[in-house]
Amino acid sequence: AQKITQTQPGMFVQEKEAVTLDCTYDTSDQSYGLFWYKQPSSGEMIFLIYQGSYDEQNATEGRYSLNFQKARKSANLVISASQLGDSAMYFCAMREGYNNNDMRFGAGTRLTVKP
Amino acid sequence: DTAVSQTPKYLVTQMGNDKSIKCEQNLGHDTMYWYKQDSKKFLKIMFSYNNKELIINETVPNRFSPKSPDKAHLNLHINSLELGDSAVYFCASSQEGLQETQYFGPGTRLLVL
Repeated sequence: AQKITQTQPGMFVQEKEAVTLDCTYDTSDQSYGLFWYKQPSSGEMIFLIYQGSYDEQNATEGRYSLNFQKARKSANLVISASQLGDSAMYFCAMREGYNNNDMRFGAGTRLTVKP
Repeated sequence: DTAVSQTPKYLVTQMGNDKSIKCEQNLGHDTMYWYKQDSKKFLKIMFSYNNKELIINETVPNRFSPKSPDKAHLNLHINSLELGDSAVYFCASSQEGLQETQYFGPGTRLLVL
């Protein structure tokens, strides 16, 4: 069964607008961590933001924030004030269980920012 | 002072050949990984090494063998290359712990002809 589901293969957003990239996850563990990565066309994987399952507040990093809804098992990435350089693939990932090194990735969402 | 480095960046080879991809991290991390990213961009974990011990092997064909000479290096050796092995291979490293992110190398684009 898929552990991480990203239902949007592609998304478009107008420059300077906000966009939400969806991510739902499946786990029976109480302890888990959720991550978002960006992969621009150059190919490297860039870490963006982390949310722990016990964190009460939504994580924020600059223009990135994570809309964490634990009961719904969703961890959506919100990018505010989109820039052309935000055009990339975005991957949601999860680590389950304390000290578990295994990280599972979703299929990714390709975001295109239009000028 | 690249954190996670891989060589080569590109690798073009014929079916049936044997090739290796090298990975080094200078972050002092305890765990290193190999991922395969296919043409549809799906990232699949292949191996994980923690303190020189294999702790994940995700049903990868035994033509693929990770080799870790020390904590800072995790090389990937591939025997008898097949067309379906064409992909981008990423090395990554992290500390242990739920909140620890993985840091990725730049990737090696492998093309098997």
